[in-house]
Amino acid sequence: QLVLTQPPSASASLGASVKLTCTLSSGHSSYAIAWHQQQPEKGPRYLMRVNSDGSHSKGDGIPDRFSGSTSGAERYLTISSLQSDDEAVYYCHTWGTGIRVFGGGTKLTVL
Amino acid sequence: QVQLVESGGDLVMPGGSLRLSCAASGFTFTDYYMNWVRQAPGKGLEWVSYISRGGNTIYYGDSVKGRFTISRDNAKNSLYLQMNSLRAEDTAVYYCARESVDTSVVDYWGQGTLVTVSS
Repeated sequence: QLVLTQPPSASASLGASVKLTCTLSSGHSSYAIAWHQQQPEKGPRYLMRVNSDGSHSKGDGIPDRFSGSTSGAERYLTISSLQSDDEAVYYCHTWGTGIRVFGGGTKLTVL
Repeated sequence: QVQLVESGGDLVMPGGSLRLSCAASGFTFTDYYMNWVRQAPGKGLEWVSYISRGGNTIYYGDSVKGRFTISRDNAKNSLYLQMNSLRAEDTAVYYCARESVDTSVVDYWGQGTLVTVSS
């Protein structure tokens, strides 16, 4: 069964970096994923796709502070030089034939 | 610029029906797959349904299978979701989401429309 697991919360200081994790279920470590950001009271926004080889491709207008990487079944979103409006919930998302799946989301607090 | 504008959300009684619409603009609608994704109050994102470019391939999440019907009108650049036999647990903001044929990612989202199922 295709499942994405995310820790429910993370925190980091203003100006620092943070690395968020999304884990693919057993047998699905070759899948690509996408990261989406949802700021408070707003709809989601697509950030980037992260492939199994660690390459990533970003959405329109996404700043260089956002990057993606991979290690095995884990997909990462790294945000550097944290700003106050990076405080949001970050969702990972993947797809297969007949199914689309979202992780539970990680709420990022910028201290 | 890409715009996805949902409409049709409302308060409806359990067992009732509702039809959501999504008006697309700023891109060639027929070049993209489309999805509905929902978010219950205070909860995460849940995929609801997918439709291919021509409408001949359709998928549903298990929680809505047999009750919801997705469709699209390419001449009107519009996506629809017919929701029947509504339950309290269907209460959510419903988002229209564009999916790239090339990369398979959802790359644009609408702002959502609220559906409340309550007596």
